[in-house]
Amino acid sequence: SYELTQPLSVSVALGQTARITCGGNNIGSKNVHWYQQKPGQAPVLVIYRDSNRPSGIPERFSGSNSGNTATLTISRAQAGDEADYYCQVWDSSHVVFGGGTKLTVL
Amino acid sequence: QVQLQESGPGLVKPSETLSLTCAVSGYSISSGYYWGWIRQPPGKGLEWIGSIYHSGSTYYNPSLKSRVTISVDTSKNQFSLKLSSVTAADTAVYYCARGDWNDRYYYYYMDVWGKGTTVTVSS
Repeated sequence: SYELTQPLSVSVALGQTARITCGGNNIGSKNVHWYQQKPGQAPVLVIYRDSNRPSGIPERFSGSNSGNTATLTISRAQAGDEADYYCQVWDSSHVVFGGGTKLTVL
Repeated sequence: QVQLQESGPGLVKPSETLSLTCAVSGYSISSGYYWGWIRQPPGKGLEWIGSIYHSGSTYYNPSLKSRVTISVDTSKNQFSLKLSSVTAADTAVYYCARGDWNDRYYYYYMDVWGKGTTVTVSS
């Protein structure tokens, strides 16, 4: 089965750029989606199909995908961006999630 | 505005069947999209359970497939989850979500989520 690998945690200084990676075999050939989950809340879609933002998601959130790594980039990080982030793909007719990354804004 | 609301017992005994329903408002299930279930054990990550189309076509997580049934009731605009032979490992927050699926470009993502409901398996 297909596996997605994320770092357990990423830290970023307030106002700086955070990058969260999602590794998978030839993931660049797949569509990658990203979710933000704050404590006690349901996940929220922040990026779909590698680099598209749903309405209401700030332009500070962007995504890229190439080779064996997809990346979620959060520019000008704010305290409110502190959350868990999950990548996700569709593989062999199944939804696959990464293990999640906890983003800490210092 | 599309909204999803999970409902069902918060406590289930071991070996019994967990049953949840997701009521959809602001959108007709019959109009399209897939409708799915995702769970999250305490302190852990997200796990997809399965999804259903209004026609009844389903996709299931292979690791849960033998115990899972997802059904849809278009007349009530809701869909349901049944998970049989539960154990403590099935204790989790269960979410329902709308799935945007495309076979041509081969993607599936969840754009609208319910708030989740906590299910505890314990005697």
